[in-house]
Amino acid sequence: EAQVTQNPRYLITVTGKKLTVTCSQNMNHEYMSWYRQDPGLGLRQIYYSMNVEVTDKGDVPEGYKVSRKEKRNFPLILESPSPNQTSLYFCASSLSYRDSYEQYFGPGTRLTVT
Amino acid sequence: AQSVTQLDSHVSVSEGTPVLLRCNYSSSYSPSLFWYVQHPNKGLQLLLKYTSAATLVKGINGFEAEFKKSETSFHLTKPSAHMSDAAEYFCVVSLTGGGNKLTFGTGTQLKVEL
Repeated sequence: EAQVTQNPRYLITVTGKKLTVTCSQNMNHEYMSWYRQDPGLGLRQIYYSMNVEVTDKGDVPEGYKVSRKEKRNFPLILESPSPNQTSLYFCASSLSYRDSYEQYFGPGTRLTVT
Repeated sequence: AQSVTQLDSHVSVSEGTPVLLRCNYSSSYSPSLFWYVQHPNKGLQLLLKYTSAATLVKGINGFEAEFKKSETSFHLTKPSAHMSDAAEYFCVVSLTGGGNKLTFGTGTQLKVEL
């Protein structure tokens, strides 16, 4: 089944404790992206990747890191989480960055930072 | 620059009555427009997309949307609401041929009552 998976689905952590949210897709997609969803703000892009070893900042990159060492994986790293990073996070992928192909979304990761 | 405005944060309809979710967009170039749906505790699913072909676009589950350039609108409609349509709906814009950066509206929560 074609899908985007994220782990963990739920995470409660404390300020400053490094964490990684994994994202994996099995569709051989070139383009992957991370979004955060906050009430009343819709989804905002954090980082994106056009292909392996090619990443760039989205609209709200502060406090986040990403890497794209393999085509299928695109982990999101919070080196020192803070309470303002409490949010619902979505990973997405699409066939190519070149055009407006449909983006497939993972199920989301709900992160709480205390 | 591109942006979308969803004119209603909440819409409530009775089952069997029409649904109208309003979206206006702003884009300097030819836009691609999408509607995504998010059911409770789920990821986002593509309902339909417009990419400069037919202006009336049909999507899944009986939804459709009409691209009106003169009004810069892309409203989502359905003739008859079903209880299973209760969800949050996002209007999304990207630049045709301009890569895969999606700009999301703030969402419209659709409630369907008996």
